[in-house]
Amino acid sequence: AQKVTQAQTEISVVEKEDVTLDCVYETRDTTYYLFWYKQPPSGELVFLIRRNSFDEQNEISGRYSWNFQKSTSSFNFTITASQVVDSAVYFCSHQGGSEKLVFGKGTKLTVNP
Amino acid sequence: DSGVTQTPKHLITATGQRVTLRCSPRSGDLSVYWYQQSLDQGLQFLIQYYNGEERAKGNILERFSAQQFPDLHSELNLSSLELGDSALYFCASSGLRLAGSQETQYFGPGTRLLVL
Repeated sequence: AQKVTQAQTEISVVEKEDVTLDCVYETRDTTYYLFWYKQPPSGELVFLIRRNSFDEQNEISGRYSWNFQKSTSSFNFTITASQVVDSAVYFCSHQGGSEKLVFGKGTKLTVNP
Repeated sequence: DSGVTQTPKHLITATGQRVTLRCSPRSGDLSVYWYQQSLDQGLQFLIQYYNGEERAKGNILERFSAQQFPDLHSELNLSSLELGDSALYFCASSGLRLAGSQETQYFGPGTRLLVL
C-alpha cells in the first residue's frame, strides 16, 4: 500500500528565510504521481504541483521549488525567501494505480514577521 | 477559486441525525472524490464516482453513502451521526478524460461538520 510520510509536524521560520518541507513516500506502483497541496488557515486545499514518476527534473515556480529524487523516494518542497502569506499546512500526496490520493499528515509552516 | 463548489460551508447537528453534503464539480469534470479531514485521521479518501458510477471506495463507513447525479453533481449522505464524524469534508473533481489517466484533483472549499 502507498504511504506518505511528512516527518516535520511543525516548522517555524522568520520572514525571508528559506525553508524545506520534506516528503518521503512508499509505493509499489511503477507509474505514479506526487502532489503538493497547501491548506491556508481559511481551510481550502490549494493545488501546487503534480509530478509524474518518470520525470525527475526539478521544478521551480517563483519562490517555490521541488526536488524529486526517485532513488530516495523523496519529493521535497522548498520555499525561498518565505513570506507571512506562506503560513499554512502543506500536504504531500501520492496517486498510484487507483486514482485516490494518499496524503501525508501535513507540515504546519508558520512564517513570523 | 478551484471551480469546485460545496454546500453548505458549515453544518451543526446532533448525534443520531442525518445530513447531506453537496458538491458541484468543475465544468467538464466527470470524476468526483470525497475526502474526510479529521484531527486524528488526517486526510482520508472516502469514495469516488465517475460519470455517475461508483469507481473506488476507501475508508467509508457503512453509515455513509454517496451518489453522483446525471448533471454530475454529487451528494454525500451521512447518517446516524456520531461525535467522531465531526470533520471537514472535501469534494474534489478531475477530468479523467481517459480511464486511469490520473489527472489532477481540484478541491472544493469543504463542508465543516460539527456533531454535538
